[in-house]
Amino acid sequence: DVKVTQSSRYLVKRTGEKVFLECVQDMDHENMFWYRQDPGLGLRLIYFSYDVKMKEKGDIPEGYSVSREKKERFSLILESASTNQTSMYLCASRILAGASSYEQYFGPGTRLTVT
Amino acid sequence: AQSVTQLDSHVSVSEGTPVLLRCNYSSSYSPSLFWYVQHPNKGLQLLLKYTSAATLVKGINGFEAEFKKSETSFHLTKPSAHMSDAAEYFCVVSDLMNTGFQKLVFGTGTRLLVSP
Repeated sequence: DVKVTQSSRYLVKRTGEKVFLECVQDMDHENMFWYRQDPGLGLRLIYFSYDVKMKEKGDIPEGYSVSREKKERFSLILESASTNQTSMYLCASRILAGASSYEQYFGPGTRLTVT
Repeated sequence: AQSVTQLDSHVSVSEGTPVLLRCNYSSSYSPSLFWYVQHPNKGLQLLLKYTSAATLVKGINGFEAEFKKSETSFHLTKPSAHMSDAAEYFCVVSDLMNTGFQKLVFGTGTRLLVSP
């Protein structure tokens, strides 16, 4: 089974702090993704990574950055946390398989509260 | 850009009765469509996917969905609800970015409530 793990289930940080959210997958997947989930808005893509050291902005990248130094690990960084970044953060990975696949495997999520 | 609209934010059913969760999509080409489920305090799990093969797609836990191009719909159904089906369900479409990368676009979700 594919396993995607996230470093924390719950996190509370103060406004202005630098926050690191870590994600690790164990199936040698090329693609990795960070989403945030908010009630009534579904999941929105923050950043994704094609492969090691490669990253692209998603739909809502403002206030975030990412790092992918190893294939299995994808980090989301909040440079200076703000209260509007309070949310559930979900990591996902995907193998670069056939063109009709696109299935993503998700971690359990990190619920971040910024006070 | 591709998009999906989930027509109901909440659906309530009684255990043993049919489930219908509605989804309409907008796509300029033949899309790949998915339904994901999220149980409380758990990650998203793929229920089923349509990728231009059979229009009636069967998934896990007795769920199925039918791709109807003429109606641009991909509704999720189950003949008989079980208490364990209570969760949030997301309709998802694949979208081709300018770079050639395929990303997923999520609907806003439908919360399914199952009463005894």
